[in-house]
Amino acid sequence: GNSVTQMEGPVTLSEEAFLTINCTYTATGYPSLFWYVQYPGEGLQLLLKATKADDKGSNKGFEATYRKETTSFHLEKGSVQVSDSAVYFCALYIQGAQKLVFGQGTRLTINP
Amino acid sequence: GAGVSQSPRYKVAKRGQDVALRCDPISGHVSLFWYQQALGQGPEFLTYFQNEAQLDKSGLPSDRFFAERPEGSVSTLKIQRTQQEDSAVYLCASSLGQEKRQPQHFGDGTRLSIL
Repeated sequence: GNSVTQMEGPVTLSEEAFLTINCTYTATGYPSLFWYVQYPGEGLQLLLKATKADDKGSNKGFEATYRKETTSFHLEKGSVQVSDSAVYFCALYIQGAQKLVFGQGTRLTINP
Repeated sequence: GAGVSQSPRYKVAKRGQDVALRCDPISGHVSLFWYQQALGQGPEFLTYFQNEAQLDKSGLPSDRFFAERPEGSVSTLKIQRTQQEDSAVYLCASSLGQEKRQPQHFGDGTRLSIL
């Protein structure tokens, strides 16, 4: 089946630290991969995406590279800010299935 | 509006009552999705519409859950005879079409609490 496994949280870092949130997936087809972010009290927002192997998605200083050989899509940011505190969800989408499959989410807290 | 709009934002109901949750997708979006997000978990797929056709309802947890989109725009998720385990945030998302490159845009959700 199709599934997504994320690094367990919560993750707490100091401002300007380097961030990695691991995400691996299992899929029966050729998925597109996404990172969504959920700020406190808000809905899910698309952070970045990659639609094929070796694609790199990037937005707001965050990056993730679609690695087919390791079935991974790890989220990275070089220098985090307090405003990055949120819950991050890795997700895959397989066109035939017409739905997103989410990981369990990773709560990130950045301390000043 | 510019984004997906859901109402009500919060709903409290007594066990056994029926509830209806509304979703207004982004104008022109063909595809509409409902997800259920339990506390501390990722969203889980419930059902999918393409225009007015419900093409996948495999994620609906029981026959107490019913969704419709009669004119291919606004959608309603109805839960009959609510149970405590139905307490969750219900998210609606829409996208332009079926292409996997078209991202899903989410509303802020309806937080449902069953007492």
